Amino acid sequence: QVQLQQSGPGLLKPSQTLSLTCAISGDSVSNDNAAWNWIRQSPSGGLEWLGRTYYRSKWYNNYALSVRSRITINPDTSKNLVSLQLNSVSPDDTAVYFCARVEGSSGHDWFDPWGQGTLVTVSS
Amino acid sequence: EIVMTQSPATLSVSPGERATLSCRASQTVSSKIAWYQQKPGQAPRLLIYGASTRATGIPARFSGSGSGTEFTLTISSLQSEDFALYYCQQYNWPLTFGGGTKVEIK
Repeated sequence: QVQLQQSGPGLLKPSQTLSLTCAISGDSVSNDNAAWNWIRQSPSGGLEWLGRTYYRSKWYNNYALSVRSRITINPDTSKNLVSLQLNSVSPDDTAVYFCARVEGSSGHDWFDPWGQGTLVTVSS
Repeated sequence: EIVMTQSPATLSVSPGERATLSCRASQTVSSKIAWYQQKPGQAPRLLIYGASTRATGIPARFSGSGSGTEFTLTISSLQSEDFALYYCQQYNWPLTFGGGTKVEIK
């Protein structure tokens, strides 16, 4: 079955860049019937979709308006993973970050499975 | 952006009883609703999509209903492993989640 394994640092200072990776097993990042997403969960529990990358003859990205100016999601086909970069972090970016797959055609945007989550704390 | 409101915030239920969780959308989302279960320290797990279709491996005691703006997740007979947080998500763009309902032991 599909498994997503996240990695990356958990402690950052304000203005630094958050960098996480999500290694995919049991599927391909280039699967033209899937999309690879990043979602975060605030300390109060709220879930926020951040963005996605997917392959449909070429690579596409979509990002949430709230982070659009700071976020980059990239596939790495050689390592079969997807990465997240979030620039200029602040304490408001403190959250648990999840990667998650969407399978299927457009309009089937529910998340399954999810990575294990990475707690990222931004503090000076 | 569609705002999803879940109620109640906390639901106290005895094992073996029925739990009914609500999710309301600020505008119609058709049947584009998913439900997730989350336990402490774990990622959310997909339970229901398309408002009423159980995901693979989800027990039949979990059921979803509704369309338009009002949705319900019902757990027919609560087992010990069902005490957790539950989130709804609508998947019209942009995707949004509800604030969650905690199901706790009464």
